[in-house]
Amino acid sequence: QKEVEQNSGPLSVPEGAIASLNCTYSDRGSQSFFWYRQYSGKSPELIMSIYSNGDKEDGRFTAQLNKASQYVSLLIRDSQPSDSATYLCAVKVAGGSYIPTFGRGTSLIVHP
Amino acid sequence: NAGVTQTPKFQVLKTGQSMTLQCAQDMNHNSMYWYRQDPGMGLRLIYYSASEGTTDKGEVPNGYNVSRLNKREFSLRLESAAPSQTSVYFCASSEGHGDSPLHFGNGTRLTVT
Repeated sequence: QKEVEQNSGPLSVPEGAIASLNCTYSDRGSQSFFWYRQYSGKSPELIMSIYSNGDKEDGRFTAQLNKASQYVSLLIRDSQPSDSATYLCAVKVAGGSYIPTFGRGTSLIVHP
Repeated sequence: NAGVTQTPKFQVLKTGQSMTLQCAQDMNHNSMYWYRQDPGMGLRLIYYSASEGTTDKGEVPNGYNVSRLNKREFSLRLESAAPSQTSVYFCASSEGHGDSPLHFGNGTRLTVT
């Protein structure tokens, strides 16, 4: 059973702070990792993808992957109220039909 | 570029009624998916189509059927709606290889009374 775990939150941070969102996964065969942002009442939209150990930066977002410890994280620097949303972690296992397994999401609240 | 288009956006059904949710993508993607999202349950896969001409069950297929009409279109049918099928339904597509992310439609909010 593939599992992807996220703390449901809410994670509350002040504007301008760094928000750190974490995700752990159970299948050591996982090869692709994705972070989606979902605003209330909207569909998920892709923020970042990461495939190799280490950090990947895109603007204010940094994804971090540690395959040995089986976790992936998303850092949001200089958090803004507009970053308030639910963040979904998704993991794909190598081989087969590449169906992603989603975590249940972490709710982030950025307060002014 | 429309991406993934779902219709309808909202629907109210009575128990026992049937309906079809439509989904079309214009990104020439091979794979298409239907998810439902319920509070506290996250996204759960109903059915998927890895490529044109194939469909497979996901985590929660009972009560649903799908048709991959062509490469662009993937429909989801509820033959006899039940209140337990009240949910938000998302269609998604991807290129279908390991590194490809999912692209989601805007969702259909379905209420079964």
